[in-house]
Amino acid sequence: QQPVQSPQAVILREGEDAVINCSSSKALYSVHWYRQKHGEAPVFLMILLKGGEQKGHDKISASFNEKKQQSSLYLTASQLSYSGTYFCGTEASGTYKYIFGTGTRLKVLA
Amino acid sequence: DTGVSQDPRHKITKRGQNVTFRCDPISEHNRLYWYRQTLGQGPEFLTYFQNEAQLEKSRLLSDRFSAERPKGSFSTLEIQRTEQGDSAMYLCASSLDPFGLASTGELFFGEGSRLTVL
Repeated sequence: QQPVQSPQAVILREGEDAVINCSSSKALYSVHWYRQKHGEAPVFLMILLKGGEQKGHDKISASFNEKKQQSSLYLTASQLSYSGTYFCGTEASGTYKYIFGTGTRLKVLA
Repeated sequence: DTGVSQDPRHKITKRGQNVTFRCDPISEHNRLYWYRQTLGQGPEFLTYFQNEAQLEKSRLLSDRFSAERPKGSFSTLEIQRTEQGDSAMYLCASSLDPFGLASTGELFFGEGSRLTVL
């Protein structure tokens, strides 16, 4: 039931773009994205509430396709500060469990 | 309110001992979650409280794990007869009901309690 993220890991140079995908086998009604830096707790980035919705936050944006049960996170012109592990999060269908995806480790090099 | 706080931040114990972690959520948050996270893995759901009611509990939790949230405020997570496999970071998170007008339902995490079982 855990959402699957791809890729598992990605290495970028500063200024390059990246896309992180989150796919669920169950219906998704909302998706949150979080970033966790090494040794720290996850920090909320954004929420996607409706199918087809796109949101942006600085140079980080996301889309949500309800029909495909997928969400994608877009990181544009990456900065060193973008390094960390990205998780999608959602409430597991029919439960009160809030679960996280498998995670994507992102490293941005100078 | 400075956010979610957890105590202790680090705990080293011997196998077989009991340990208890405390979480103080953001005061107006009615939802509280506990997670376990091991190195290189994502947060693994343990249990969920809505106010004082424990509404969801992972099957991953054996009978050695128990959690409480008396009066819907702070919460405790107790691990009895600890095993080396219990070594992990234990994260607490709180949130507002996502159906509220002022809430996105995002989880606010504490810094975590790192448990090492020798």
